[in-house]
Amino acid sequence: QSALTQPASVSGSPGQSITISCTGTTSDVGAYDFVSWYQQHPGKAPKLIIYKVTYRPSGISNRFSGSKSGNTASLIISGLQAEDEADYYCNSYSNTSPYVFGTGTKVTVL
Amino acid sequence: QVQLVQSGSELKKPGASVKVSCKASGYTFTTYGMQWVRQAPGQGLEWMGWINTNTGKPTYAQGFTGRFVFSLDTSVSTAYLQINNLKTEDTAVYYCARDSSISSFSVDPWGQGTLVTVSS
Repeated sequence: QSALTQPASVSGSPGQSITISCTGTTSDVGAYDFVSWYQQHPGKAPKLIIYKVTYRPSGISNRFSGSKSGNTASLIISGLQAEDEADYYCNSYSNTSPYVFGTGTKVTVL
Repeated sequence: QVQLVQSGSELKKPGASVKVSCKASGYTFTTYGMQWVRQAPGQGLEWMGWINTNTGKPTYAQGFTGRFVFSLDTSVSTAYLQINNLKTEDTAVYYCARDSSISSFSVDPWGQGTLVTVSS
């Protein structure tokens, strides 16, 4: 099972909105709504920020939102803040594996 | 609160074995499955597999069969990852992560990670 494709890096200024894409296939992202997003700060464990494409766990800022169209899921961070600087990983259920992670995206706040 | 606490960093020689522990607290251990995820230095997340904490049945992802063993001690709410015949390419941070209580095929929370370094 190949990893889902994410851009290596995305950057934005404070207050701006950025979008991170996560491209899969008709066997994973395109077939199921079990897409999750994880935030990982340097030296820390990942943290769940979006599940089932659009849902936020309790305690997660509403500046984080998710969507999906076809084989591509997206994470949108609005009102970008310095604390959002981290690595972000998408994950999807697939026909061949319950967990397929994306390649990861480094978000830089300019 | 729900918490997963992993054992400390390990330095091993090639060919040796290592056993990483993941102690759960704050919930009934056998209610949720436990996933294992590897992160090589500077690399992304890689799903290794999972263990059903109710039955003890492990499932290994491709590339993690043979040398990798998941096990449990439910009496102390602890999951284990053992890696045998270590290779230098096993150098990585290993995470345990509990199946989420709010959605299938998501994990939350994660342990803090255990760095395993394999070097001669």
